[in-house]
Amino acid sequence: QVTLKESGPALVKPTQTLTLTCTCSGFSLSSGGVRVTWIRQPPGKALEWLARIDWDGDKFYNTALKTRLTISKDTSKNRVVLTMTNVGPVDTATYYCARAISYKSGWFWDNWFDPWGQGTLVTVSS
Amino acid sequence: QSILTQSPSVSGAPGQRVTLSCTGSSSNIGAGYDVHWYKQLPGTAPKFVIYGNTNRPSGVPDRFSGSKSGTSASLAISGLQAEDEADYYCQSYDSSLSGYVFGTGTKVSVL
Repeated sequence: QVTLKESGPALVKPTQTLTLTCTCSGFSLSSGGVRVTWIRQPPGKALEWLARIDWDGDKFYNTALKTRLTISKDTSKNRVVLTMTNVGPVDTATYYCARAISYKSGWFWDNWFDPWGQGTLVTVSS
Repeated sequence: QSILTQSPSVSGAPGQRVTLSCTGSSSNIGAGYDVHWYKQLPGTAPKFVIYGNTNRPSGVPDRFSGSKSGTSASLAISGLQAEDEADYYCQSYDSSLSGYVFGTGTKVSVL
């Protein structure tokens, strides 16, 4: 059974760096074709894609947040880590990790996200 | 901010059919990128209900159907049931942003 679980601080102060961990089970981060993504959702608002890391180490970021985000993986622990620097109140959100399922659509390798972790709520406040 | 626009809410009586819309642009849906749909119950993580515009994963009732035309996509729910009450989000890829984008979300209410 494929599962993902997020962990991290519930409260972070403005300007600090947020570090979130996604612990994966049921699949290996080093297996070919495996991709894991981070998505967030501010309270009462829509979903926002943040970043993706692939089995071969390729990384992709939301261009609006690229300068503040770093995604990495620890294959020995089967974990994916997302760091976000210089957080502010607008970064208050539930952060989800999800497996990205890839398929060929015409010329493009597209992805949908399944399954998702349960999410972890991060509040940025002094 | 969301690049894909959805109607904020839609409602229907049990048994009725409702249609949710997702409007994009020439850099995402209109460029040929597929649309995927997710259902989110209050306080829980989203779950996908449609992938690749029209495909329904196992376990999702055939009451759910998806379509795409031009710069828009739709999710139809027929035979509306109380368990369908949730928020629904569309998702696609945007070439100008080089990333994935979600819709603004539609709240489905069963009267």
